[in-house]
Amino acid sequence: DAGVTQSPTHLIKTRGQHVTLRCSPISGHKSVSWYQQVLGQGPQFIFQYYEKEERGRGNFPDRFSARQFPNYSSELNVNALLLGDSALYLCASSSTGGSYSPLHFGNGTRLTVT
Amino acid sequence: GQNIDQPTEMTATEGAIVQINCTYQTSGFNGLFWYQQHAGEAPTFLSYNVLDGLEEKGRFSSFLSRSKGYSYLLLKELQMKDSASYLCAVHGGSQGNLIFGKGTKLSVKP
Repeated sequence: DAGVTQSPTHLIKTRGQHVTLRCSPISGHKSVSWYQQVLGQGPQFIFQYYEKEERGRGNFPDRFSARQFPNYSSELNVNALLLGDSALYLCASSSTGGSYSPLHFGNGTRLTVT
Repeated sequence: GQNIDQPTEMTATEGAIVQINCTYQTSGFNGLFWYQQHAGEAPTFLSYNVLDGLEEKGRFSSFLSRSKGYSYLLLKELQMKDSASYLCAVHGGSQGNLIFGKGTKLSVKP
């Protein structure tokens, strides 16, 4: 079975540009979450979607947005990129998004902003 | 506030046992997870505790004390491939999300 897949794997952007990151969850999983991981830190929560509805949002500026599609795949958009947005962006899926449902992470998209 | 503390780095010898501690203070609590993350790779799920006590899964065990806000991950019969970062995460954010610690980088030496 395919795990969580993310694209692209690496991306280099310039300050002020925008970026779209994509994620396909494990088949049958209806919840997708996005996390940002800066080198040497643990992942920080950005968004959670369940059944195409936003269920939660972390402490990130409005430049960050996301959506979930009818097939449960998801996109994370970041506008007006800053140098500080350079990080590994992780997508994770779970079957229900509930507390007892472990997250299964993709390999991430490494974003570098220059 | 939300706070999860774990040691930054640990070193252990192949074949030995190592215990990685995690303390937490969160606004809510619906379970504690441990993840393993090799350099440049995605975190992979190791264990889940929601009730007090020990959960054993092969060479890995995880313990939880909710009254003390404390957990540990026990790794037995260490192998070189166990060299990785170990992330403690609490399901208890105001958004129902996982709150991660900074991770403990474990180095296993021959």
